[in-house]
Amino acid sequence: DQQVKQNSPSLSVQEGRISILNCDYTNSMFDYFLWYKKYPAEGPTFLISISSIKDKNEDGRFTVFLNKSAKHLSLHIVPSQPGDSAVYFCAASAWSNTGKLIFGQGTTLQVKP
Amino acid sequence: GAGVSQSPSNKVTEKGKDVELRCDPISGHTALYWYRQSLGQGLEFLIYFQGNSAPDKSGLPSDRFSAERTGGSVSTLTIQRTQQEDSAVYLCASSLARSSGRDTDTQYFGPGTRLTVL
Repeated sequence: DQQVKQNSPSLSVQEGRISILNCDYTNSMFDYFLWYKKYPAEGPTFLISISSIKDKNEDGRFTVFLNKSAKHLSLHIVPSQPGDSAVYFCAASAWSNTGKLIFGQGTTLQVKP
Repeated sequence: GAGVSQSPSNKVTEKGKDVELRCDPISGHTALYWYRQSLGQGLEFLIYFQGNSAPDKSGLPSDRFSAERTGGSVSTLTIQRTQQEDSAVYLCASSLARSSGRDTDTQYFGPGTRLTVL
């Protein structure tokens, strides 16, 4: 049972444009969500997070949106840069099991110069 | 400060041999996690240690896999009688994991150990 799903395995955008990565979840107990970025041969790096009491969190070029009723979150990168090319994972945790993250399968983003 | 470290960075072994992978978490982090990522796959949860509680072993794929965490800090993941399907990158992460703040759920990852079973 895949509780966190990233339905797009890959995404390609032009440098300077917006990248939108999507994530859906099924467990209504999830109340904390995170995005990680992973380059080849490196461990995932924390990017941005959002609590369920918010619907938006922004950090520089990165914004995460949360739609609780749709059980959907998205990561917007504006403007996209070639260095953003990586695999992006969304993850979620529940208040009942604080600390344990459930990860999606990842989306490979390619930003073309 | 120092991040999560893992050793070795690469390990090549023969089928049937035992291997040990080491993880040093961030100082002060109470929770430690092991994942693996097979080629083209996502992050597969293996095991989770939180403070002095019994570990959550629900992700271990078989009884050939085990892990321990000594003194609430360093952890060792052991794979006995390795098989070719065990080949993957094994990732360790740690977090503060305090119930008082959800942002402490954020996990910080090490660089991983690439295991190749011939």
